[in-house]
Amino acid sequence: DAGITQSPRHKVTETGTPVTLRCHQTENHRYMYWYRQDPGHGLRLIHYSYGVKDTDKGEVSDGYSVSRSKTEDFLLTLESATSSQTSVYFCAISGERDIYEQYFGPGTRLTVT
Amino acid sequence: AQSVTQPDIHITVSEGASLELRCNYSYGATPYLFWYVQSPGQGLQLLLKYFSGDTLVQGIKGFEAEFKRSQSSFNLRKPSVHWSDAAEYFCAVESYGNKLVFGAGTILRVKS
Repeated sequence: DAGITQSPRHKVTETGTPVTLRCHQTENHRYMYWYRQDPGHGLRLIHYSYGVKDTDKGEVSDGYSVSRSKTEDFLLTLESATSSQTSVYFCAISGERDIYEQYFGPGTRLTVT
Repeated sequence: AQSVTQPDIHITVSEGASLELRCNYSYGATPYLFWYVQSPGQGLQLLLKYFSGDTLVQGIKGFEAEFKRSQSSFNLRKPSVHWSDAAEYFCAVESYGNKLVFGAGTILRVKS
């Protein structure tokens, strides 16, 4: 299995509070992605990174920001959490050799009350 | 824009029966296509991928998929389903910028 961890694995937070989710990889892969998974929508891309300090928006980026200060870590921040951001968040990585072959972390279940 | 449609939200199959999960894509050229599986409470695992060449591709766990350009389809098949195959299955297509676009998923239930 690809070395990808996500923390925390579960979080309950209140509306309006900031939340940061962490994705950590030990594969030295260049590309990292944040998705959210909601019933009936599959996985939707929030943000992705193609290198240290190089990030770009996905299809559902509003309300989210990311940072990647080193290869192994990709942080997803909800500046002011809303109930619509209750979801399961997945991190994925891919290497330069097989760019489209993504490996997924175990997920973080976030509940915003 | 690229898109993926999985027409079946739920499918129930008897153990030992054959399985086919449907996937249709929208893409301007010959795409890279993928099937992922997600067991309850887990992340996604790559089952198989199609890049080019032989239109019938083999994957892990006894799964295969066939690319049909004329039908814009990439259906997943297994000749004999096991109870452990119960999971959610996602089809995905490449998108520009090294990204994937996923379908909404099909939940497979296996009855004994």
